Amino acid sequence: AQSVTQLGSHVSVSEGALVLLRCNYSSSVPPYLFWYVQYPNQGLQLLLKYTTGATLVKGINGFEAEFKKSETSFHLTKPSAHMSDAAEYFCAVSGSNDYKLSFGAGTTVTVRA
Amino acid sequence: GAGVSQTPSNKVTEKGKYVELRCDPISGHTALYWYRQSLGQGPEFLIYFQGTGAADDSGLPNDRFFAVRPEGSVSTLKIQRTERGDSAVYLCASSSLSSPDTQYFGPGTRLTVL
Repeated sequence: AQSVTQLGSHVSVSEGALVLLRCNYSSSVPPYLFWYVQYPNQGLQLLLKYTTGATLVKGINGFEAEFKKSETSFHLTKPSAHMSDAAEYFCAVSGSNDYKLSFGAGTTVTVRA
Repeated sequence: GAGVSQTPSNKVTEKGKYVELRCDPISGHTALYWYRQSLGQGPEFLIYFQGTGAADDSGLPNDRFFAVRPEGSVSTLKIQRTERGDSAVYLCASSSLSSPDTQYFGPGTRLTVL
């Protein structure tokens, strides 16, 4: 079984500041890890994923995440926030041959001008 | 190409009524998933189809919920005797054989049970 915990339901950052969203997972099998973004009244859009290989994963819109097995973490970062980054972000985990996703509760990001 | 589409976008019904929610996956995608997203929560898995068959329905909350995919493309999620607690956004996603770990989501159907 897999589960995800996202630390912080709301994050507020200034435009140009670092964005850091925390995700810890629990998995009985090697995990596949994902970050999705959801803009108001839209579906989920994949930002990035980790399956195997390089533990630092780069995604769209300047986001990246690092898989740390020893810490069971997959935190999402972006060096410089833009107003357009305001949205809800979901971390998710699946197994390597069972692809149903288990999502965290989400983190809402607001960006201050 | 076209993404995953879901109809209707909004559905309001009365307690006890029957509803059907439709999902059109990306053309050629063999896997189809249904999730439910309640207010303030992340999506929760309901059911997964590989082709026409339900490969995993472990997330369906009870026997009032049923889903079909008779021709391996469009899927319908059916809810009988709706309850107020069924109010949520129902999300559909699909994935391809070549990239089974990557799911593409539709915009969802917002179901409100009065």
